[in-house]
Amino acid sequence: AQRVTQPEKLLSVFKGAPVELKCNYSYSGSPELFWYVQYSRQRLQLLLRHISRESIKGFTADLNKGETSFHLKKPFAQEEDSAMYYCALKAPRNRGSTLGRLYFGRGTQLTVWP
Amino acid sequence: DAGITQSPRHKVTETGTPVTLRCHQTENHRYMYWYRQDPGHGLRLIHYSYGVKDTDKGEVSDGYSVSRSKTEDFLLTLESATSSQTSVYFCATTGGTDTQYFGPGTRLTVL
Repeated sequence: AQRVTQPEKLLSVFKGAPVELKCNYSYSGSPELFWYVQYSRQRLQLLLRHISRESIKGFTADLNKGETSFHLKKPFAQEEDSAMYYCALKAPRNRGSTLGRLYFGRGTQLTVWP
Repeated sequence: DAGITQSPRHKVTETGTPVTLRCHQTENHRYMYWYRQDPGHGLRLIHYSYGVKDTDKGEVSDGYSVSRSKTEDFLLTLESATSSQTSVYFCATTGGTDTQYFGPGTRLTVL
């Protein structure tokens, strides 16, 4: 069964410090991984996806199949990065999964102190 | 925001009363989802729809039903609300790409 684990419920860092939000998954095939972010009083929005290998707002995430991880990293955190971050897994359709279905982790609340 | 709106945005109701939440989208997206967001649980899928009149259960569907009579509307009904259904409810849509677009959420309190 698919599962996404975010071991840290809360994470606090100071501005300018590196930040890493951990995400581990369990899935027997080749999943697609995403990070969604929810800023205060805003709706959830996609931050990045592993297949794009992109950097958004200075954040990057590398899929490590050996460790089944998809950690989100930023070298220098900013106060505006304070938000709730959700890691999500989408199982490919040919595995019989629900089309477009995402499995979310429990989220990590990041606070960046000035 | 993919033109997704939810109504009502806030609701307080009493145990045992029926409640219907509405999700409306203007993007003609095929897929629509209802999630609930609870501290310590993250986002959990309640029901989803892959087309008009085509719906299926998610992981926490007990006590909820849905209907989709038009592409743009996806209704979530709590037949008899309970205090355990106090939560923030999010609707999401996707047009078949990877990205899910979320609505602003509905905060429901069941007394």
